[in-house]
Amino acid sequence: DADVTQTPRNRITKTGKRIMLECSQTKGHDRMYWYRQDPGLGLRLIYYSFDVKDINKGEISDGYSVSRQAQAKFSLSLESAIPNQTALYFCATSDPGTSVTGELFFGEGSRLTVL
Amino acid sequence: AQSVTQLGSHVSVSEGALVLLRCNYSSSVPPYLFWYVQYPNQGLQLLLKYTTGATLVKGINGFEAEFKKSETSFHLTKPSAHMSDAAEYFCAVTPNTDKLIFGTGTRLQVFP
Repeated sequence: DADVTQTPRNRITKTGKRIMLECSQTKGHDRMYWYRQDPGLGLRLIYYSFDVKDINKGEISDGYSVSRQAQAKFSLSLESAIPNQTALYFCATSDPGTSVTGELFFGEGSRLTVL
Repeated sequence: AQSVTQLGSHVSVSEGALVLLRCNYSSSVPPYLFWYVQYPNQGLQLLLKYTTGATLVKGINGFEAEFKKSETSFHLTKPSAHMSDAAEYFCAVTPNTDKLIFGTGTRLQVFP
């Protein structure tokens, strides 16, 4: 089983709908991240969390919210989806306690299409 | 602010040819640098990383990268391309351990 699991892997929805993407990890890492990947733009950070009580905005947080339900779970929500939120979303984890460089471990991605 | 620039969104090589993917960084402090690879329909996986010490870093699958502070570069190379190397490659930088900043990616195509 994957260490970082994202659900759903694919989702098609309509404009205005509320969508939640879920991420769970078995790596025991405290830090979790949500990135968005768009062709030609690379990966951009949406939100990140260093522990259950810590939530931080990334460079493109508008239109998104997150919830850190437990150390192992970090959900991304789109309250009212719009077409330009169509993208591939990645959850990632890191553990500075074991890796001083902050390297990330990624899930397999959730492809979201907003019609 | 820290950033990375990847020159060339697409690179095509023949099987057996040298692979060179370019990455330049901007950082006000000594950075940690990474190359990640993304195979089709998969997440990103770490290819190699530079922390401190030796400037030539070896990674998985025969890839290596050299940290050149004077040129603010961290180019990725492989002497002989294989068909299985076809993927998208991302350079990333972090000035600390808080978060990674990614480049826009380079898609590598390998022709027989």
